Amino acid sequence: DQQVKQNSPSLSVQEGRISILNCDYTNSMFDYFLWYKKYPAEGPTFLISISSIKDKNEDGRFTVFLNKSAKHLSLHIVPSQPGDSAVYFCAASRPNNNDMRFGAGTRLTVKP
Amino acid sequence: DAGITQSPRHKVTETGTPVTLRCHQTENHRYMYWYRQDPGHGLRLIHYSYGVKDTDKGEVSDGYSVSRSKTEDFLLTLESATSSQTSVYFCAISVGQTYGYTFGSGTRLTVV
Repeated sequence: DQQVKQNSPSLSVQEGRISILNCDYTNSMFDYFLWYKKYPAEGPTFLISISSIKDKNEDGRFTVFLNKSAKHLSLHIVPSQPGDSAVYFCAASRPNNNDMRFGAGTRLTVKP
Repeated sequence: DAGITQSPRHKVTETGTPVTLRCHQTENHRYMYWYRQDPGHGLRLIHYSYGVKDTDKGEVSDGYSVSRSKTEDFLLTLESATSSQTSVYFCAISVGQTYGYTFGSGTRLTVV
């Protein structure tokens, strides 16, 4: 059962524009949400996270928004750069639980 | 870098043969994980460990076993490999809720 869903397998944006990656979840017990970035032939790397007690977290060009009532989070990248081209995974975890759930990933392509 | 290495990086094996993948960490983290990555499924947890000789099953544990005889090593074994176990396998260590996991570079396993 897919508790974390990324419904867009791919996204293409122009350099300098905003990239918005979306993620939905079904389990209301999730209390922490993370985004990972993955380049080919490498492992995923942590990008940004947000606790369920917040609705926004910002780190440079990256901002994550959380809408708990809609069970939806999004990652905004502004401005997008060609080096941001990668697969982005959304992940969610529950308190004191070791089964972090991941979405299927969205492949972002930033065109020069 | 968290000092987590996986070996081998690539392996081709025949159906029915046993295969062992190794994960090694240098930072004495208690929690270690094995995930597999497949198109359309993202990352799915196979097994995890919360200490030496302490392991538990994840979402997709059938056909896999693990062992952890030392803090730094976490082994994943496919007792009798099947074609459905062709995948990319990632080992991870937990570095706290805020930053989630640090992943190794992955092992690409092909079962023919």
